[in-house]
Amino acid sequence: SAVISQKPSRDICQRGTSLTIQCQVDSQVTMMFWYRQQPGQSLTLIATANQGSEATYESGFVIDKFPISRPNLTFSTLTVSNLSPEDSSIYLCSVRRGSNEKLFFGSGTQLSVL
Amino acid sequence: DAKTTQPTSMDCAEGRAANLPCNHSTISGNEYVYWYRQIHSQGPQYIIHGLKNNETNEMASLIITEDRKSSTLILPHATLRDTAVYYCIVSLQAAGNKLTFGGGTRVLVKP
Repeated sequence: SAVISQKPSRDICQRGTSLTIQCQVDSQVTMMFWYRQQPGQSLTLIATANQGSEATYESGFVIDKFPISRPNLTFSTLTVSNLSPEDSSIYLCSVRRGSNEKLFFGSGTQLSVL
Repeated sequence: DAKTTQPTSMDCAEGRAANLPCNHSTISGNEYVYWYRQIHSQGPQYIIHGLKNNETNEMASLIITEDRKSSTLILPHATLRDTAVYYCIVSLQAAGNKLTFGGGTRVLVKP
């Protein structure tokens, strides 16, 4: 299994500000994945964060809006910039671990933008 | 990653088996079928996965058709705590390979 600590668990932010979400894994992993889950929807992959290189973004997501840092093999941050109410979602970090490469998730960050 | 199709929702009775179907007709030969579930307000949880053979663990059984174009997740004795959204995903078994979530099946277990 993997222990993934994600902070903050929830936040309420004003329009135009930014929120940085932290994700700490209990052991080293090569790839970390950031997902967004809009209200009532499934999970959508935002980007894949690889230590030592720039993150790879999925279609519809850009670095200016969702900058990602990956300073080492156990930690990553996702920033949601220039917030608007449409950014209100749950943001989840995840890693694939183990012989079967299961996907493990953090507990998520519930973001509400006013 | 291959695309999957699942029913939007289904109900099942507590104590009975729940059979959740998934179609993945474009699956490639080296892609696995993974099942996850998401209980309200929590991150998704791994259930089971398989390549060709049927699999069973303490949570569920996975039946994959011989042509691998569809599969069924079986919860043998559903409990109220099994109420969740269940996602069927096909993916390569590789650390760097992303998992793409579809709409999933919303399962409601009723007393």
